[in-house]
Order: sequence, then C-alpha cells, then structure tokens
Amino acid sequence: GAVVSQHPSWVICKSGTSVKIECRSLDFQATTMFWYRQFPKQSLMLMATSNEGSKATYEQGVEKDKFLINHASLTLSTLTVTSAHPEDSSFYICSARDVVGQDYYGYTFGSGTRLTVV
Amino acid sequence: GQQLNQSPQSMFIQEGEDVSMNCTSSSIFNTWLWYKQDPGEGPVLLIALYKAGELTSNGRLTAQFGITRKDSFLNISASIPSDVGIYFCAGQIGSSASKIIFGSGTRLSIRP
Repeated sequence: GAVVSQHPSWVICKSGTSVKIECRSLDFQATTMFWYRQFPKQSLMLMATSNEGSKATYEQGVEKDKFLINHASLTLSTLTVTSAHPEDSSFYICSARDVVGQDYYGYTFGSGTRLTVV
Repeated sequence: GQQLNQSPQSMFIQEGEDVSMNCTSSSIFNTWLWYKQDPGEGPVLLIALYKAGELTSNGRLTAQFGITRKDSFLNISASIPSDVGIYFCAGQIGSSASKIIFGSGTRLSIRP
C-alpha cells in the first residue's frame, strides 16, 4: 500500500533556529500534500495544503512566513519552521493523496514529527 | 468554519464489549473517514465512506454514512486490548481532492 515517510521523527532545537521537516511519498506520486499540527490530547489541525510546483495554501491564522512549505517534486514536500519558539513545539504530521488514474485510494499519513523548542 | 462534533470524548470499557462512537456536523459532507491514532504515530485509515447511507465493514469495525450526510458512526464489536487508541472521524465537504477536517477524537481505553 501507499507509504508516506516523514523525517525526522523527532527533533529538539534551540529557540530562534529553523527546523526543516520532510514528507515523502515512497511508492506513489502526490501532487497534493497536507500539513497538520497536533497539540497533546487534541485533534489534528490543518495548517496548509502543499501543491507541487505552486505556492502552498495556508489555513486562516497560520503564518506563511513562519511555516515555509516547499513542494518541489511529486514525491517530496518540506515544512520549515522558521525562528522557532517554544510555542511552536508540537506534533507535525503530513499526509498525501494517493491517486492512481481515476481511482481514489484515500489519504495516507506520515508517522509525524515531534518538535520540541527549548 | 466547518466543525465535526465527535462523541464520546473518551470511553473506558471492558474487553469484549462493543463500542460505538459518532460524529455530527451542521455541514453536509461528501466523504466520511474514520482513523485510529496510536501514541506518537500518524493516523491510520480504518474505513472510508463515499455515499449517503453506505454501511461498510472492516473486520470488527463497521461504519455508516448518515442519510442526511451530516453524521456518521463507527462501531467496534468484541473489543480487544489492541483497540486502545484515539479514534478520529474526518470528513471532506468538496471533492476527493479537498482538505480533510478532523473531529475532536474519542479516546478508547479497555479493561482486560
């Protein structure tokens, strides 16, 4: 089945530094990927939709200059948390839409990245 | 914005019991999805529903797409310890390419 690989699985960084998280579709092409963040004991909140070859679409209230998204190929999207602060500490999860021809196999999620900013 | 109201928020049941949880919304959805999330992992799709009234099973799991397209339920029969986790309903309002909106989750705990 479709596999989405997310890297790193966890990262600790100092306040003020930037962190890049990668999301790869391993056995399928994904023109669209989604980035979510999840705080402890809460649901997944959509941050942005990542479109291959074009600018990402951000949800209301998400700072696009803070969370830079690049979707340069059909199998890779990256999320960069710039000038990270402790309040950015969260669980970040990506998902990709697995589409083969006209069939729709649903969204596959990565295993998430636990970001801790100290 | 669109909201999915999921209940119950948590359940603590005996092993072997059946489980039922549901999601409602004031908006009409074209797709309903049920996911399970284990600690420190991403959600895993359990069941996808694409048509109003559709009833779909996946092993001991059964889910239905409500006739009004504003609700869905998930049943788990004869629960076992590995069913422990957080279950999320999710939906899409537009096409299959549109974003997924998640419910608040149901935390399932099981007494052996």
